[in-house]
Amino acid sequence: EVQLLESGGGLVQPGESLRLSCAASGFTFSSYTINWVRQAPGQGLEWVSAMSGRGGRTFYADSVKGRFSISRDNSQNTLYLQMDTLRVEDTAIYYCARDSAETTLVQWGQGTLVVVSS
Amino acid sequence: DIQMTQSPSSLSASIGDRVTISCRASQSITYYLNWFEQKPGKAPKLLIYAASSLQTGVPSRFSGSGSGTDFTLTISSLQPEDFATYYCQQSHSAPYTFGQGTRLEIK
Repeated sequence: EVQLLESGGGLVQPGESLRLSCAASGFTFSSYTINWVRQAPGQGLEWVSAMSGRGGRTFYADSVKGRFSISRDNSQNTLYLQMDTLRVEDTAIYYCARDSAETTLVQWGQGTLVVVSS
Repeated sequence: DIQMTQSPSSLSASIGDRVTISCRASQSITYYLNWFEQKPGKAPKLLIYAASSLQTGVPSRFSGSGSGTDFTLTISSLQPEDFATYYCQQSHSAPYTFGQGTRLEIK
């Protein structure tokens, strides 16, 4: 069974940093692109970032480019999102979601909540 | 960046109704259009990919159509479990933007 488990969320102040993790199991982790998608309270979905299976390609939303950095450790089946210079508007549930051979975002984790507030 | 616009933003319907939700891209995305369903407190779920391909396990009352810039999600006969929020998303080019969502409510 495919599982994605996010962790690392919490309460931080504006300008601080946080690193999220997404631990995967049940599939060949290094073969698939994994994404981060976030959802602010009561709002819609926002795609944030993605990294290809071998890590050669990374993609970011304009809203986080230069502040967030995606990485992965295929030996540990884990994806990371390093979030620096956090803003109040980064407050959201952060989901990781994997692609398949056919398409994107086929399986999702349960999400981890990040709150940026003074 | 490609902008995705859904309509309507909300919709009231009854059990058994046929419902259509539209999604328009700001430029051609050929068939790289996906539809997701999200229920309160839950992660989104992929329903349709590549504009019209039904994801494994999704009931056949869901269907998708369209290409280029205009797409449609149709639910042929609403069931109680279908009341949720629906999002379109383009996977043609990064950033892979979502529509703003359509909230489907019980009439």
